[in-house]
Amino acid sequence: DVKVTQSSRYLVKRTGEKVFLECVQDMDHENMFWYRQDPGLGLRLIYFSYDVKMKEKGDIPEGYSVSREKKERFSLILESASTNQTSMYLCASSQAGTGGTGELFFGEGSRLTVL
Amino acid sequence: AQSVSQHNHHVILSEAASLELGCNYSYGGTVNLFWYVQYPGQHLQLLLKYFSGDPLVKGIKGFEAEFIKSKFSFNLRKPSVQWSDTAEYFCAVNARLYGNNRLAFGKGNQVVVIP
Repeated sequence: DVKVTQSSRYLVKRTGEKVFLECVQDMDHENMFWYRQDPGLGLRLIYFSYDVKMKEKGDIPEGYSVSREKKERFSLILESASTNQTSMYLCASSQAGTGGTGELFFGEGSRLTVL
Repeated sequence: AQSVSQHNHHVILSEAASLELGCNYSYGGTVNLFWYVQYPGQHLQLLLKYFSGDPLVKGIKGFEAEFIKSKFSFNLRKPSVQWSDTAEYFCAVNARLYGNNRLAFGKGNQVVVIP
């Protein structure tokens, strides 16, 4: 069974702290994505990656950075957390190339609260 | 850019009622279309998808969706809902032209089924 695992389900951090959210997939997918989900706003893409060490900005990259050192792992970093980054963060992966259809496989989400 | 519209963000209905959720997208080329569902406390999962062929597609739990190319729509339907269908539903579109398998999501429909 395909699996995307996010390391932390719930986090509480203070303003200004550095936050790491980790995501691992076991499907050998090339593409990995970070979204945030907020009520009434749906899913908004923060960053995505098509390959190791490659990254591209999504729709709302400000205040975030990412790292992809290995194919199976994609990390989201909040350099200095702020209260408006309180949200549910979703990691997803998909297959690339001619076999790719765009279908995303999601992790269970990481709910971050910044105080 | 792709955009996806879902109307009536909050839907409340009784068990056995019929459900239809609208989804319209703005891209005019070849598309892959998806509906995802998120049950309370669970991760996003695929409900159904359309790539080509029969425009009426059937998914899990009795859901179906119809692709109407002339209307740029991919509406989701279920003839008779159950309490367990309480969830948030997201429509998503991938434009094959881009080749990068990036999905554009609608803002979601929060559906509450009253027993």
